[in-house]
Amino acid sequence: QQPVQSPQAVILREGEDAVINCSSSKALYSVHWYRQKHGEAPVFLMILLKGGEQKGHDKISASFNEKKQQSSLYLTASQLSYSGTYFCGTEYSGGYQKVTFGTGTKLQVIP
Amino acid sequence: DAGITQSPRHKVTETGTPVTLRCHQTENHRYMYWYRQDPGHGLRLIHYSYGVKDTDKGEVSDGYSVSRSKTEDFLLTLESATSSQTSVYFCATGDRVNTEAFFGQGTRLTVV
Repeated sequence: QQPVQSPQAVILREGEDAVINCSSSKALYSVHWYRQKHGEAPVFLMILLKGGEQKGHDKISASFNEKKQQSSLYLTASQLSYSGTYFCGTEYSGGYQKVTFGTGTKLQVIP
Repeated sequence: DAGITQSPRHKVTETGTPVTLRCHQTENHRYMYWYRQDPGHGLRLIHYSYGVKDTDKGEVSDGYSVSRSKTEDFLLTLESATSSQTSVYFCATGDRVNTEAFFGQGTRLTVV
């Protein structure tokens, strides 16, 4: 089953913060986050393994709540370059890196 | 950037004809994947491979077959193309579990 992402779309002004959520009905082994700009291939942001760790990359960070089977991606002080569609991908068991992606969250940052 | 090349990049084909898409990688990655991307559905896994001649089905595998005879090549075949298979197809590769996947630039397939 595909994980559920929310919101489906969001518009931000430069400098504002956003949170994108990803939830699963099944127990998760890991959560993967990617960003895709229009007409381009998805690009990796980060992976979180079960254990509730939080990761960060510049002003983009993510958390993973294993008990709630949820992950959240946090974008702080958004920049125009953050615009794109964000996908979470979930793995339900380790071993083959078989990732199931959500339907995406379209983020637009405006001046 | 990982060396992943998809061919062709664009293709228009007729309903009922077989079509083969090719993914070629120069990274010696063990894992390879085929996804399709459609509006409202995100990226959906069609088939994946965890080694030469080792493949398995993804969530939307009906009407598709794959082959991997060499580490560097992963072929996706639409046995008899239908209009519902009009989509953008992405190949991806990965080196190990729990690491990032690298995506090719995509193939836009239109079935008329």
